[in-house]
Amino acid sequence: KAGVTQTPRYLIKTRGQQVTLSCSPISGHRSVSWYQQTPGQGLQFLFEYFSETQRNKGNFPGRFSGRQFSNSRSEMNVSTLELGDSALYLCASSLGPGQGARTGELFFGEGSRLTVL
Amino acid sequence: GNSVTQMEGPVTLSEEAFLTINCTYTATGYPSLFWYVQYPGEGLQLLLKATKADDKGSNKGFEATYRKETTSFHLEKGSVQVSDSAVYFCALTSNQAGTALIFGKGTTLSVSS
Repeated sequence: KAGVTQTPRYLIKTRGQQVTLSCSPISGHRSVSWYQQTPGQGLQFLFEYFSETQRNKGNFPGRFSGRQFSNSRSEMNVSTLELGDSALYLCASSLGPGQGARTGELFFGEGSRLTVL
Repeated sequence: GNSVTQMEGPVTLSEEAFLTINCTYTATGYPSLFWYVQYPGEGLQLLLKATKADDKGSNKGFEATYRKETTSFHLEKGSVQVSDSAVYFCALTSNQAGTALIFGKGTTLSVSS
């Protein structure tokens, strides 16, 4: 069974640009969550999507957005990139909304490492 | 809101040594508690969990007990192996965002033979 797939794995952008990251969940999983991992702040929740609807959002500015498609694949977008957006962006899938956080059955991808210059 | 405090690393041990990684939490209500592990080049994966006070989660020789009186969930292993070298994260369910996890900063464990 294939795991969570994130693309691209690595990318470099400059300040002011925008970036789109993609996540394909495990087959049959309908919920996708995104987390940002940095050395200073650790892992922080960005948002969760289920049935193409954002179910929950963390404390991030509006520059961070996402969406989910009918096949459960998800994308996140960061506009007007800042140096502080350099991070590892992790996608996680679970069977249903909130299920991952309640049970710990949250399956993570290897992440997309974004460097902003 | 809910929060997690995890001991700073790195932790460096010799093979077969005893491991403890401390984790304390602040929470309202009764959140579930988790330990996740991130091996080099891999995504985070659930190591063990406990869903109520006094529960003991265990997996791969690792154990952690949900202590409500001390608000702790320390990770222990009696005899570590080189293959245990990884980053370990303590986590709990957010109470403001019930569908999200709050993670500690992570503790890097390095085991040498």
